[in-house]
Amino acid sequence: DIQMTQSPSSLSASVGDRVTITCRASQSIGSYLNWYQQKPGKAPNLLIYVGSISQSGVPARFSGSVSGTDFTLTISNLQPEDFATYYCQQSYGTPRTFGQGTKVEIK
Amino acid sequence: QVTVRESGPALVKPTQTLTLTCSFSGFSLNTRKMCVSWIRQSPGKALEWLADIDWDDDKYYSTSLKSRLTISKDTSKNQVVLTMTNMDPVDTATYYCVRMTYYDSNGYYAAYFDYWGQGTPVTVSS
Repeated sequence: DIQMTQSPSSLSASVGDRVTITCRASQSIGSYLNWYQQKPGKAPNLLIYVGSISQSGVPARFSGSVSGTDFTLTISNLQPEDFATYYCQQSYGTPRTFGQGTKVEIK
Repeated sequence: QVTVRESGPALVKPTQTLTLTCSFSGFSLNTRKMCVSWIRQSPGKALEWLADIDWDDDKYYSTSLKSRLTISKDTSKNQVVLTMTNMDPVDTATYYCVRMTYYDSNGYYAAYFDYWGQGTPVTVSS
């Protein structure tokens, strides 16, 4: 199985900050990487697919990038509604695996 | 618009079989590139993918849970059913039904989960 490792597991940030979350795959997966946001008590919501393509309706402050087996989710100009947990997920093949999550908290 | 909804028991006893039903609308599992997946989340834990079924009736399962899972579809009813045998307290989780589809462009054929149900909590306890 492909292992997905996210870092950090949590971070504290302020409104207006630029935040970066990293996800590393245990093997090469091309750009087959998706990002989801999950707020407490809610189902996850798709943000980015194929490494860098934004899902329709997702604010432009969310962006994704790829460098080898490292993937980055960047939130520029952090907003109050962005405080949540973020998960990466590889779509290279089955079994489909998620990272352990990164919780973004208010500083 | 696409909607996805899970239904099933909130409480099961250890060793029992869990049966969850996903009812969906706004798409058809007869349409190419349409799939339905089950994903679960134990309290305070990360997301865990369980199984997929696609438009061609191909089925895929979690490596660790494969022996306990069965996924099936009824396209006439727009439903997908997941059964999990020999339930254990560690299987206590919220179970999500999710539509999965494919991005098919620029040399990529990549799956992503775009519509999620609200989740159904399942507790395993005697």
